[in-house]
Amino acid sequence: NAGVMQNPRHLVRRRGQEARLRCSPMKGHSHVYWYRQLPEEGLKFMVYLQKENIIDESGMPKERFSAEFPKEGPSILRIQQVVRGDSAAYFCASSPQGTGIFQETQYFGPGTRLLVL
Amino acid sequence: DAKTTQPPSMDCAEGRAANLPCNHSTISGNEYVYWYRQIHSQGPQYIIHGLKNNETNEMASLIITEDRKSSTLILPHATLRDTAVYYCIVRILTMEYGNKLVFGAGTILRVKS
Repeated sequence: NAGVMQNPRHLVRRRGQEARLRCSPMKGHSHVYWYRQLPEEGLKFMVYLQKENIIDESGMPKERFSAEFPKEGPSILRIQQVVRGDSAAYFCASSPQGTGIFQETQYFGPGTRLLVL
Repeated sequence: DAKTTQPPSMDCAEGRAANLPCNHSTISGNEYVYWYRQIHSQGPQYIIHGLKNNETNEMASLIITEDRKSSTLILPHATLRDTAVYYCIVRILTMEYGNKLVFGAGTILRVKS
């Protein structure tokens, strides 16, 4: 059973370009979470999505950042007009939908390291 | 979600048990204790979670005090590959709004040969 997949693993962008980060959840998981880890800092929640719905985006910057989780295909975290401060590791996690407490255990992918030049 | 307090760092000899404490004195009755770890540059790895009973799996044991105000993660035979940052998180499990994990600074565990 493959784990959470993220691509690309490393992404280099120049200031002003767009960055698209992809996340494929574990098989059978329909909940996706995005977290950001700035250099030398802890992980911070950004957004929580279910298929075709944003459930909680309280951690998303108000501008330039957007996320989606379409009915088909991976979840996408999109950063428009990147700035140097966006350089970070972006982690995706997924959890299953079901009954019981195990529905909420989040499993993380390997992350995408974004470097903005 | 309740706040947790962990020591910033700990050392452990290879082959010995690593005991990582976590204080969560404001935990409420419906909050679970979760442990994750992050090995350098990798994504966080789920370890174990529990509510009030002690739990054990192939990776670790979780001991929760009777009053639930603190817990200890035990790695029975630490190896060099267990060197990582260990995060203790308490959270309510619900389908309602706000299922995010709130990570603190964690404990840096250094396993030494």
